[in-house]
Amino acid sequence: AQKVTQAQTEISVVEKEDVTLDCVYETRDTTYYLFWYKQPPSGELVFLIRRNSFDEQNEISGRYSWNFQKSTSSFNFTITASQVVDSAVYFCALSEARIYNQGGKLIFGQGTELSVKP
Amino acid sequence: AAGVIQSPRHLIKEKRETATLKCYPIPRHDTVYWYQQGPGQDPQFLISFYEKMQSDKGSIPDRFSAQQFSDYHSELNMSSLELGDSALYFCASSSSGGYGYTFGSGTRLTVV
Repeated sequence: AQKVTQAQTEISVVEKEDVTLDCVYETRDTTYYLFWYKQPPSGELVFLIRRNSFDEQNEISGRYSWNFQKSTSSFNFTITASQVVDSAVYFCALSEARIYNQGGKLIFGQGTELSVKP
Repeated sequence: AAGVIQSPRHLIKEKRETATLKCYPIPRHDTVYWYQQGPGQDPQFLISFYEKMQSDKGSIPDRFSAQQFSDYHSELNMSSLELGDSALYFCASSSSGGYGYTFGSGTRLTVV
């Protein structure tokens, strides 16, 4: 069965600190996708990144970076120089690769609530 | 760019009443998903439709039903509402060859 674990329930940092959100996943599939979503207090789910299982290159987008390590089944997310606006709940999610009309649903981790204080 | 549209944004119902949530996917997206997110919880998959046929089913109560119509919009019908049904309900759509998921802004259902 697929499973996503975000062991950090809450993290509190001071503005400008770097912070890493951990994500560990379990799957028997050889092809799958990993996602990160941000959920601000307003409630919407904001897409941050999708990574497929064959692409282990790390990615950087502005202050955000992601480290995908298939060997340890981890897909960690780092925010550099955090800002108050980064305060939100962050979800890591896993989906199996879609084959025609099968699959595709997201399995979410429990979420990490990040609080960035000024 | 067009996004996934959900209506209504907020809904208040009494116990034992019925609620209908609507979702309009991104044009040319062939799959619609419904998720339920209780307070302080992660989103849980309920059901999905591919080309208007149910394609996968998660932890959806028997009191709930859903369908996708010929214009690809989808509706989630919830009957005999219970206090525990109070949650944020998300719809998402995707396409077979597309980049991935797009979520709607959600419908916040409160059962009193």
